[in-house]
Amino acid sequence: EPEVTQTPSHQVTQMGQEVILRCVPISNHLYFYWYRQILGQKVEFLVSFYNNEISEKSEIFDDQFSVERPDGSNFTLKIRSTKLEDSAMYFCASSERRQPNTGELFFGEGSRLTVL
Amino acid sequence: KQEVTQIPAALSVPEGENLVLNCSFTDSAIYNLQWFRQDPGKGLTSLLLIQSSQREQTSGRLNASLDKSSGRSTLYIAASQPGDSATYLCASDSWGKLQFGAGTQVVVTP
Repeated sequence: EPEVTQTPSHQVTQMGQEVILRCVPISNHLYFYWYRQILGQKVEFLVSFYNNEISEKSEIFDDQFSVERPDGSNFTLKIRSTKLEDSAMYFCASSERRQPNTGELFFGEGSRLTVL
Repeated sequence: KQEVTQIPAALSVPEGENLVLNCSFTDSAIYNLQWFRQDPGKGLTSLLLIQSSQREQTSGRLNASLDKSSGRSTLYIAASQPGDSATYLCASDSWGKLQFGAGTQVVVTP
């Protein structure tokens, strides 16, 4: 069964360092997302991406964050200068359809980011 | 702003009992309601998607209902098994942006 894959599964970094989280969405999906979950808190929307541009972003997704689809399969989330509060599980997701009714979202296993 | 609430926060039942998990949302202008399962430290596994035009959706032992007018969805898990132990999340979908509840942590004891 097709699935969303994410790498790395866990990354430890020093505050101020740049981090890139990678995702391979399901191959025929058109819409891509990043969500995050801080330990003990709700899963939060960060950004949605369609046709090589950001469709929507949350207040969390400030200038320190960027997303890119560098080739036909990968979708990346970059955090330029990590802060302690960026420590979280980051989930990539994809869907087959576009807005407004994107249907079912499929999530990856997540990348746990620990900022020291 | 959409608020999604799940009650109860935790639930422990003996094996074989039916589970009833509740989800409420404040804004009824949603396209879909999606239920997920999350095992500790793991990703989100999609269980069921109910479109706004539907009243319920079934998959095996799982049945989810949706009442948009009252802002409620319920997930029923029949004949629970220890393997059903996990956290169950509901999420409302507006324009492809999911708003999640905090989840119900379920423990099914043998």
